[in-house]
Amino acid sequence: NAGVTQTPKFRVLKTGQSMTLLCAQDMNHEYMYWYRQDPGMGLRLIHYSVGEGTTAKGEVPDGYNVSRLKKQNFLLGLESAAPSQTSVYFCASSSRDRPYEQYFGPGTRLTVT
Amino acid sequence: AQSVSQHNHHVILSEAASLELGCNYSYGGTVNLFWYVQYPGQHLQLLLKYFSGDPLVKGIKGFEAEFIKSKFSFNLRKPSVQWSDTAEYFCAVKTSGTYKYIFGTGTRLKVLA
Repeated sequence: NAGVTQTPKFRVLKTGQSMTLLCAQDMNHEYMYWYRQDPGMGLRLIHYSVGEGTTAKGEVPDGYNVSRLKKQNFLLGLESAAPSQTSVYFCASSSRDRPYEQYFGPGTRLTVT
Repeated sequence: AQSVSQHNHHVILSEAASLELGCNYSYGGTVNLFWYVQYPGQHLQLLLKYFSGDPLVKGIKGFEAEFIKSKFSFNLRKPSVQWSDTAEYFCAVKTSGTYKYIFGTGTRLKVLA
């Protein structure tokens, strides 16, 4: 099992550009999450999904959109990147049976100039 | 709004010293509590969790945490740290009946050999 993978690992964007971060998990987990990690702020939940075709807002959803068209994938989109979105983005997944046990991906380091 | 406070942002210890990292949360209802660890260059891993029952929970690598409901605290402890415990530690809270995790800002632990 690869667990949770994230693509890409690093990206530099210019202000106003768009991009999509891909999260994939091969554990058949129902729940998936996107977090951002900033120095001194810990992890903050951006959006989450409790199943295919469903998404919900977390703590800091503004400026991001998500989609969960397939159970194994959870996409995070930035339509018009801003420097404030410079961060490390982590995806996580968990099963319905053990929702408390989140498995995290390796992260994507995004810089917006 | 729920929040999680980790008062120690940076901790430096010598090997064999004892460790206690503080975690306090603000929420009056039923909570599930977690400690995650992020080793340098790696992604977050679950260290231990509390759901109910014995307030003293034991996790991996000799870590333990004590839930004190009256103090809204879930402090992490280890009797004797090792150089390999150098990492960032995050406390997290999930309120019962929700899918959202609230993370603390993290504590960077450096253990000197």
